[in-house]
Amino acid sequence: DTAVSQTPKYLVTQMGNDKSIKCEQNLGHDTMYWYKQDSKKFLKIMFSYNNKELIINETVPNRFSPKSPDKAHLNLHINSLELGDSAVYFCASSQELQGYGYTFGSGTRLTVV
Amino acid sequence: QKEVEQNSGPLSVPEGAIASLNCTYSDRGSQSFFWYRQYSGKSPELIMFIYSNGDKEDGRFTAQLNKASQYVSLLIRDSQPSDSATYLCAVTALSGAGSYQLTFGKGTKLSVIP
Repeated sequence: DTAVSQTPKYLVTQMGNDKSIKCEQNLGHDTMYWYKQDSKKFLKIMFSYNNKELIINETVPNRFSPKSPDKAHLNLHINSLELGDSAVYFCASSQELQGYGYTFGSGTRLTVV
Repeated sequence: QKEVEQNSGPLSVPEGAIASLNCTYSDRGSQSFFWYRQYSGKSPELIMFIYSNGDKEDGRFTAQLNKASQYVSLLIRDSQPSDSATYLCAVTALSGAGSYQLTFGKGTKLSVIP
């Protein structure tokens, strides 16, 4: 059983397109996150959601928008994709806001051409 | 700006040796400290966490925390080629929004030479 699942695993798209990445967790965790890992392997938090409420919104472009239909899902929508958006995007979840034991999904490698 | 600093490496050690990975953090309010391992093309995997000053051992891994020096380390004894990966240090601290945020260092790449 996959604890945190992301789809798709790979995404290649053209500049200007709009795309979505889906994330689901079956751990019963109450907080979910989106992280971006750039080509230098630096993991940076983008968003976190607790009980469908946005908690942290780092300085990411407003072209990125998280959407959480329920506690087990946190999707990431990206509008007007740019070359610089190419990266690996990781979804994660944790039981408490303290971030104990984040569990990561397998990642989505986004390539914008 | 809360920062977590790691030597990017690569750190090369011979098989069977002790690998020592180091991390410093800027926020004195940091409360929880984690080490993640990330193989190439894979997601980060939690291998150790520590909350209190001192040492914490789990098999071949030992995490060490010194809050006064704002320093956390990971020792890997009897290093194996399968330990070759990037090791990410992560720290939680209270954000301005009143919630806890996990901040990662840039990782240290470890190579264990057979």
